[in-house]
Amino acid sequence: GQSLEQPSEVTAVEGAIVQINCTYQTSGFYGLSWYQQHDGGAPTFLSYNALDGLEETGRFSSFLSRSDSYGYLLLQELQMKDSASYFCAVRPSGMDSSYKLIFGSGTRLLVRP
Amino acid sequence: NAGVTQTPKFQVLKTGQSMTLQCAQDMNHNSMYWYRQDPGMGLRLIYYSASEGTTDKGEVPNGYNVSRLNKREFSLRLESAAPSQTSVYFCASKLAGDNEQFFGPGTRLTVL
Repeated sequence: GQSLEQPSEVTAVEGAIVQINCTYQTSGFYGLSWYQQHDGGAPTFLSYNALDGLEETGRFSSFLSRSDSYGYLLLQELQMKDSASYFCAVRPSGMDSSYKLIFGSGTRLLVRP
Repeated sequence: NAGVTQTPKFQVLKTGQSMTLQCAQDMNHNSMYWYRQDPGMGLRLIYYSASEGTTDKGEVPNGYNVSRLNKREFSLRLESAAPSQTSVYFCASKLAGDNEQFFGPGTRLTVL
């Protein structure tokens, strides 16, 4: 089976850098994704890591280390609008499960002025 | 493009009533999904359809049925609603070979 662990809440100051961690236990997966969800809204895709290392998209970067069963989302130059919940998700490997995503329980980020 | 649309946006049911949640996408995506989201529990997959004509169970399928009506539409049915099914329901879709799932705005369901 698969399980993903994230901190439930993180607080940071506007303009700062914050890292949201995701540790996982899985029998195998294709990649690690990150989604953002504002209160009352729908999740939206941020990034996908198929390989170990850092993927950068503007102010957001995502990292994966398969050997450590660990990934993180890095948000730089925090803005008030970044206050949201962030979810990591794995796409399990295998014929029947590869279309699915298994989500972590999410990290609520509060950005303070 | 409207993306992924869901109806209704809100619904209140009494225990034992039935209803169907509708989802449609206009992006010509192959795969479609139904999730539920409860406070503090993230998104849990109920059912998915990898392609038109196929459906499979996800993590929490009990109490639900689905129909992939055509490539655009994927409906979720509650035959006999229970208070434990009070949740926000999201539909999503994905193009084959892509990694990004596109989500609809959600249906907020309360079962009394």
